[in-house]
Amino acid sequence: DTGVSQDPRHKITKRGQNVTFRCDPISEHNRLYWYRQTLGQGPEFLTYFQNEAQLEKSRLLSDRFSAERPKGSFSTLEIQRTEQGDSAMYLCASSHYEDSPLHFGNGTRLTVT
Amino acid sequence: EDQVTQSPEALRLQEGESSSLNCSYTVSGLRGLFWYRQDPGKGPEFLFTLYSAGEEKEKERLKATLTKKESFLHITAPKPEDSATYLCAVQNSGGSNYKLTFGKGTLLTVNP
Repeated sequence: DTGVSQDPRHKITKRGQNVTFRCDPISEHNRLYWYRQTLGQGPEFLTYFQNEAQLEKSRLLSDRFSAERPKGSFSTLEIQRTEQGDSAMYLCASSHYEDSPLHFGNGTRLTVT
Repeated sequence: EDQVTQSPEALRLQEGESSSLNCSYTVSGLRGLFWYRQDPGKGPEFLFTLYSAGEEKEKERLKATLTKKESFLHITAPKPEDSATYLCAVQNSGGSNYKLTFGKGTLLTVNP
């Protein structure tokens, strides 16, 4: 069990640029989640995958955001035309069974200048 | 809409000074209540899951309890390494039962 891995750990980009983050879940986990956390707040749900199927997208996920999980393995989260309000920590988590606790990665810290 | 309120926002203790953190929640049907610990610059680390009122879980100096309206995280004789933000989250038993709703957390500082 090597834990959930996220890359990059930090990303600084200029407003209007596109960015993509990667998440590698724990190998036997078929459930994968993306959350966003801003300073002083708890994580907020963005989207959920079961295997390769994206089953829910939060209303927080505007049309500029897209997430994929090809072949039910790693996942990517892309943000197009970044805005300063997108600055946050983007957390990925995975779980094995329906009632298993979520295991989080250490996140990607995005700063939009 | 599910809601989680944690208090206090911040708590400063001396080493060995026991205390409790509170998590009040509103949810139409509770599937589970989760406690996580988060260190600066890291992702949340799972501590406990509680499923029903009256349930208790313990791990080292931490004990989590659950009632129908709130959960407490009791910290006995804390050490400086217990300093972190403690997050509480609820999972609804309804349609989107895979989704966690988090509180804002309690920032705990334990001074030596």
